[in-house]
Amino acid sequence: DTGVSQNPRHKITKRGQNVTFRCDPISEHNRLYWYRQTLGQGPEFLTYFQNEAQLEKSRLLSDRFSAERPKGSFSTLEIQRTEQGDSAMYLCASSLSPRTGDNYGYTFGSGTRLTVV
Amino acid sequence: AQTVTQSQPEMSVQEAETVTLSCTYDTSENNYYLFWYKQPPSRQMILVIRQEAYKQQNATENRFSVNFQKAAKSFSLKISDSQLGDTAMYFCALSHKGAQKLVFGQGTRLTINP
Repeated sequence: DTGVSQNPRHKITKRGQNVTFRCDPISEHNRLYWYRQTLGQGPEFLTYFQNEAQLEKSRLLSDRFSAERPKGSFSTLEIQRTEQGDSAMYLCASSLSPRTGDNYGYTFGSGTRLTVV
Repeated sequence: AQTVTQSQPEMSVQEAETVTLSCTYDTSENNYYLFWYKQPPSRQMILVIRQEAYKQQNATENRFSVNFQKAAKSFSLKISDSQLGDTAMYFCALSHKGAQKLVFGQGTRLTINP
């Protein structure tokens, strides 16, 4: 198990272009999360999946953002018509959710740093 | 609504000293979890320590311990015998029981000087 893998590590794109990021979680983890982290700030929740179902989306996730986890394994986060304000680190994390509702914390990936020029 | 506040943007101590990072939070729930995460420069975020709100005993992980004051909604992290490898951003986070979403504070940049 190599942990949570995110690709690419860095992405520079021109304003108005579409970008897609990929996250491969720890294989036995059924929950997958996307967070956004701007410089000097804590991560902000975007969305999460349990298996292939997207269970919650933040208001931060505008209609230009879409996330999928088609087979309950890897996930993609797409940003359409990128804006300079989208520049941030996009973090993926995964966890194994117990039926008790306990939270033992996540395993994070190294993130994808997006720069919109 | 849940909020997490870290009032110390930066801290700096000498190697081998003890340092305490502060965190306060607000929630209307009674069952929740608190976490401290460490984010070294250009590296991934790592879970340092976890506290269950219904447990009065403070969590401890080797050199890391917490002071959990539920009534005051305070959750500070103490690092004993600090090491150069402890240099990182430290984030306090809160999650309600049954809700896996984490709410993070703004972070504290900790520098351990040789």
